[in-house]
Order: sequence, then C-alpha cells, then structure tokens
Amino acid sequence: DGGITQSPKYLFRKEGQNVTLSCEQNLNHDAMYWYRQDPGQGLRLIYYSQIVNDFQKGDIAEGYSVSREKKESFPLTVTSAQKNPTAFYLCASSIQGGTQYFGPGTRLTVL
Amino acid sequence: GQQLNQSPQSMFIQEGEDVSMNCTSSSIFNTWLWYKQDPGEGPVLLIALYKAGELTSNGRLTAQFGITRKDSFLNISASIPSDVGIYFCAGQLRGDTDKLIFGTGTRLQVFP
Repeated sequence: DGGITQSPKYLFRKEGQNVTLSCEQNLNHDAMYWYRQDPGQGLRLIYYSQIVNDFQKGDIAEGYSVSREKKESFPLTVTSAQKNPTAFYLCASSIQGGTQYFGPGTRLTVL
Repeated sequence: GQQLNQSPQSMFIQEGEDVSMNCTSSSIFNTWLWYKQDPGEGPVLLIALYKAGELTSNGRLTAQFGITRKDSFLNISASIPSDVGIYFCAGQLRGDTDKLIFGTGTRLQVFP
C-alpha cells in the first residue's frame, strides 16, 4: 500500500535527551515536510525538503534538525535545545508544488 | 509564523444541520486546501481549490476559492455524527510553491 508512515505513535523522552522521529513515504514524492501541532492551534512548519540532500528551515526550526539522505525518508531530531518539545508532530509529502498528504503523527511527551 | 484567520473556532450542531466555516488572509494565495483531522490522527485532505472563484464539491462538502484570492469557505450539508473533528484550511502562497499556511482550525461537534 502506498502512503506515509510515522513511528513511533507515542514517544516519551526525559528532559535533556535528543530523540529522532521517523517519517517514511513510498509515494515517490520529491518534497517532504515536518510540522508541529499544539493543542488548539494550527500546524506550524519546522523544516521542509524539496529534494534529496537539501532542506530548508520553516517557521520554528530552532531546537530541531533533519536529514534527507534518501528520497523516501525524512527523519526529524528533537534536540535538547528545544525548550518546549511536548507536542504532536506531523510529517507530510507531496510532488513538487503539489498537494501535501499527511502521516498519522507522533505524539512526543517530555517527562 | 503566519497563520490564517479561521472561524468559527468551534461549532456545536445537531445532526442534519448544515455547517459553514471560513478562512481569511491578508496574503494572496494560489491554492486553498481544506483538511479534516480526527483526534490523534494526521489531517486528511477533503477539497483542493486552484482557481479564484472555483466552487468544488465532494459529496456533502462544498468549498469555494474567493475572488480576491484572500479567502475561502467550506460548507457541510446535512451533518452526520462522523463529521465530528477539526477542520483546517490551508493556503499556498503565490511564488512559494511548496509552503502551506494553516488556519487555527474549527472544532465541529455533532449531536444526535
């Protein structure tokens, strides 16, 4: 089946630890995105990548890092520098300039 | 980061009623999208609009791309319990082909 997968669904982390969220797609999409969603708010763009080995900062990139070594994969690392990391993280992908399709999300909780 | 003005924030309606929500922006968009999000899940695309004035339907859902390119609305007719969720609009800026700006969402609750 074609689609976007994110793992894990729920993630718990101790304060001060880095953690990496996985996003994989088999839709052959060139572009991939990471968003953060907080309760009662819309989605805010963290990072996006339009092509392999290239990515750009979104509106709230501080405290996050990404890599795009393969077309299918766009992992997001939440570093200890992120002041308030507890949130719902959503990955999306699209063809260039096309409609974005979302994965099921990862809920990160910092203990 | 910029977010769209989406209203209303929440709606509590009875099954069978029609629903209307809208988004406005100070920026001109070349694409408007409407998504629905169920609790704990990713948003699912409902309708995509690509031309000013375009009116598009998807079953009981109808959405329009405003003439000024700065607004869009979504109507749901004859609501049913499975319409419950959060509805988001999203606009794609002219000249910025991939980035989306999201509204803050409309939370819809449907009572039998």
